[in-house]
Amino acid sequence: GAGVSQSPSNKVTEKGKDVELRCDPISGHTALYWYRQSLGQGLEFLIYFQGNSAPDKSGLPSDRFSAERTGGSVSTLTIQRTQQEDSAVYLCASSLQGSGSTDTQYFGPGTRLTVL
Amino acid sequence: GDSVTQMEGPVTLSEEAFLTINCTYTATGYPSLFWYVQYPGEGLQLLLKATKADDKGSNKGFEATYRKETTSFHLEKGSVQVSDSAVYFCALRGYSGNTPLVFGKGTRLSVIA
Repeated sequence: GAGVSQSPSNKVTEKGKDVELRCDPISGHTALYWYRQSLGQGLEFLIYFQGNSAPDKSGLPSDRFSAERTGGSVSTLTIQRTQQEDSAVYLCASSLQGSGSTDTQYFGPGTRLTVL
Repeated sequence: GDSVTQMEGPVTLSEEAFLTINCTYTATGYPSLFWYVQYPGEGLQLLLKATKADDKGSNKGFEATYRKETTSFHLEKGSVQVSDSAVYFCALRGYSGNTPLVFGKGTRLSVIA
C-alpha cells in the first residue's frame, strides 16, 4: 500500500518568503508528526496531531512555524518569513493510533528546504 | 527530559566485519526503543524495535536487546555488507505513548568491499 508522501521533494526559496510543505499520511493513520533534520541538530520534533485533539506544538522553534491538518488527513507545515537557519529536511511521519508506546511511526521521504 | 545518546561516527568497516553501534537512553518509566535506518537518498525506515525490558528486536541480520539495567539498546550485526552503508538512528518513545520520538544524532556507517 501507499506510504507517507510529501511534496515538494525539494524547495529553494529566498530569505523572507513564506513556504508551505505538504504531507499525505498513510490512509487510516490517526496520528501525524512533523520533524526537522538538519546538520548539527539531528532529528527534532516539531508538531504532533492526534485525531481531533489540539495539536502538540511544543517543538515548534518560533511563531513563524505553523501547521494544520485538514479533515484528519493531509497536513501542511507553513514557515513564514523564512530564514537561512530554516534550511533542513522536513520529515513527516504517521502512525496508526498515536497512543501507546508501541505504536510505530512511518516516515515520508522528506522535503529538502534551502533558504538562500 | 528524555534523551538518546549514540556513538558518533562515521564508522568504516570492511565487508563481513562485526558491527556494534552503541546507544544509551535516559527516560522515565518504560519507553519503547527503536532503530531507524536512512539509506542514501531515501527516507527513514524502521529497522527494528523492542517494547519492554529484555526484548530483542531483529531484522535483516541486525539485532538489539533492550537492557533496562544499563539503559542501553546497542545495535549489532555479525557480518556487514556494502549494502548496509547508511545512517542509523536510535530512538525512544515515552511510556505515556502520546509523545513523539526522541532521536539520537545518528551514526553513519560505511562498509567497503
